Amino acid sequence: KNQVEQSPQSLIILEGKNCTLQCNYTVSPFSNLRWYKQDTGRGPVSLTIMTFSENTKSNGRYTATLDADTKQSSLHITASQLSDSASYICVVRGGTDKLIFGTGTRLQVFP
Amino acid sequence: DTGVSQDPRHKITKRGQNVTFRCDPISEHNRLYWYRQTLGQGPEFLTYFQNEAQLEKSRLLSDRFSAERPKGSFSTLEIQRTEQGDSAMYLCASSLDRASSPLHFGNGTRLTVT
Repeated sequence: KNQVEQSPQSLIILEGKNCTLQCNYTVSPFSNLRWYKQDTGRGPVSLTIMTFSENTKSNGRYTATLDADTKQSSLHITASQLSDSASYICVVRGGTDKLIFGTGTRLQVFP
Repeated sequence: DTGVSQDPRHKITKRGQNVTFRCDPISEHNRLYWYRQTLGQGPEFLTYFQNEAQLEKSRLLSDRFSAERPKGSFSTLEIQRTEQGDSAMYLCASSLDRASSPLHFGNGTRLTVT
């Protein structure tokens, strides 16, 4: 069964600290994996996309990794800011363009 | 590019009433999706359109739900005889017809059924 699992479910960190969010998937065949950020009361916004051949990609303070062999991805946030408080959703695109959503990690950054 | 817009932002209705939501996608996007999201969960797929054709519907979409995209531009999602379990955020997203194209989401319509 095609599934996307994210951990932790929620995370609290202090401003300025780093954190890493995990995404494990069983989707096959695999097309790409995308991380979205969803602020409270808003729709998700794409942060980065990972394809099969990419291991690491950065977007400012966000760095995504992909290990296609173990079917794992991570999103690392460096020097967190209060505005990073949001839910982070991992979405895997499989065969026939099927999109499988994770349940998200809720991150709270406190001053 | 004004983004994806959804109307209304909030809707409160009594059980048994019908409601209709509207989504205006980004103009050049030919794909349009509807999702439902409850608190603490990721978006759940409901249905999607390629231009005006409804290509896939989730089993979550009971016969009380109907979606249209009559001219391949805006879309409507109607829920008939609403139930309390329908209370959720309804998200619309649009994209280009490419695997590498991200979904562009609207800010959703929050439905509360009392």
